[in-house]
Amino acid sequence: DADVTQTPRNRITKTGKRIMLECSQTKGHDRMYWYRQDPGLGLQLIYYSFDVKDINKGEISDGYSVSRQAQAKFSLSLESAIPNQTALYFCAPRGGGLYNEQFFGPGTRLTVL
Amino acid sequence: AQSVAQPEDQVNVAEGNPLTVKCTYSVSGNPYLFWYVQYPNRGLQFLLKYITGDNLVKGSYGFEAEFNKSQTSFHLKKPSALVSDSALYFCAVRDFTGGGNKLTFGTGTQLKVEL
Repeated sequence: DADVTQTPRNRITKTGKRIMLECSQTKGHDRMYWYRQDPGLGLQLIYYSFDVKDINKGEISDGYSVSRQAQAKFSLSLESAIPNQTALYFCAPRGGGLYNEQFFGPGTRLTVL
Repeated sequence: AQSVAQPEDQVNVAEGNPLTVKCTYSVSGNPYLFWYVQYPNRGLQFLLKYITGDNLVKGSYGFEAEFNKSQTSFHLKKPSALVSDSALYFCAVRDFTGGGNKLTFGTGTQLKVEL
């Protein structure tokens, strides 16, 4: 979705390094999500936020942290990267309402050596 | 917890033929179901959703999906496949467990449309 920006798009790093992935959106959605995609596993939820004061863990939050700097910005950090965090990471904003679909950013491909 | 299953890792179909990508679900309560498509090096794009009402849901790019409550299925269909439909397709269900509101995804089905 062109209204969702993720930086960087690709990153190669080494084990033990701290990494931050950034997401910004221009849709004005208050809900934002971080997903991880691994081949054959689909997408798994890491963290989500319903507003700047609300942060919630997803199913695979260990080893990750997030920060909601503003309604439009939601960053994901790996405090000490490890090789099994090599994956494709997606930010996905969603509008209010229980049944609205999510919009996905272009993804960040992260490789941890 | 809510879950969806996509029993086929890959589906091959000839251009011009009808295609079906299968999805079954397991939920407690009413199911809210979605289909997304992912082209290479791109994020997921929303195709369609079922919330309530008509069992045949029409979506983007000529796709439609049939909701079948008795078979707990939500199969994605298209009457005439195009080579450009080749992509990875994900079925997902809205999951309210744990007080949250997230999508739980299937493992994806790679669709390959050949001339």
